[in-house]
Amino acid sequence: GNSVTQMEGPVTLSEEAFLTINCTYTATGYPSLFWYVQYPGEGLQLLLKATKADDKGSNKGFEATYRKETTSFHLEKGSVQVSDSAVYFCALSSNSNSGYALNFGKGTSLLVTP
Amino acid sequence: NAGVTQTPKFQVLKTGQSMTLQCAQDMNHNSMYWYRQDPGMGLRLIYYSASEGTTDKGEVPNGYNVSRLNKREFSLRLESAAPSQTSVYFCASSADLILSYGYTFGSGTRLTVV
Repeated sequence: GNSVTQMEGPVTLSEEAFLTINCTYTATGYPSLFWYVQYPGEGLQLLLKATKADDKGSNKGFEATYRKETTSFHLEKGSVQVSDSAVYFCALSSNSNSGYALNFGKGTSLLVTP
Repeated sequence: NAGVTQTPKFQVLKTGQSMTLQCAQDMNHNSMYWYRQDPGMGLRLIYYSASEGTTDKGEVPNGYNVSRLNKREFSLRLESAAPSQTSVYFCASSADLILSYGYTFGSGTRLTVV
């Protein structure tokens, strides 16, 4: 079935550093790809998405490009802030005979220090 | 704009007790989902409901039952709680069947089974 693998954390960066969180996927068909963010004690929030190859999702300075040739959807941000400290989840849509669901990676914890 | 509402937010159960986690959405979404989140495991799908009147098993359904009461509500029941069911439970809903828009998540229920 469809699955994602994302880099293990935790990732610790200084404020204003460049961020990359790697995500690769295995899929049949043409899944949609997502990044979700979870702040401490909260639920997951959609950060960005891409629904077809070469699409770039972007939001709040974060970007990710759907690369079919490398089966990747890496998350990047040019200059992180302390407020970006959170856990980031890569996900893709997966379908069965009964319907669709999202399959999530294990999450990458990011800590940004002043 | 309430979105997805989960109750309760916290619960402690003794082994063998039963309880129902409630989830309601006010966005007129057809599809609803239950996940559990455990450290180092990411989010794993327990059950989902592609539309009112249908439910299907996800990756980890053992020990759980669900009811799609109507379009708005999707409950998760633990008939005889076990310590292995200690987790954070998230309900989510989706506007479209193929998940082009991803999910909207509730804020979670933190369950401890002692």
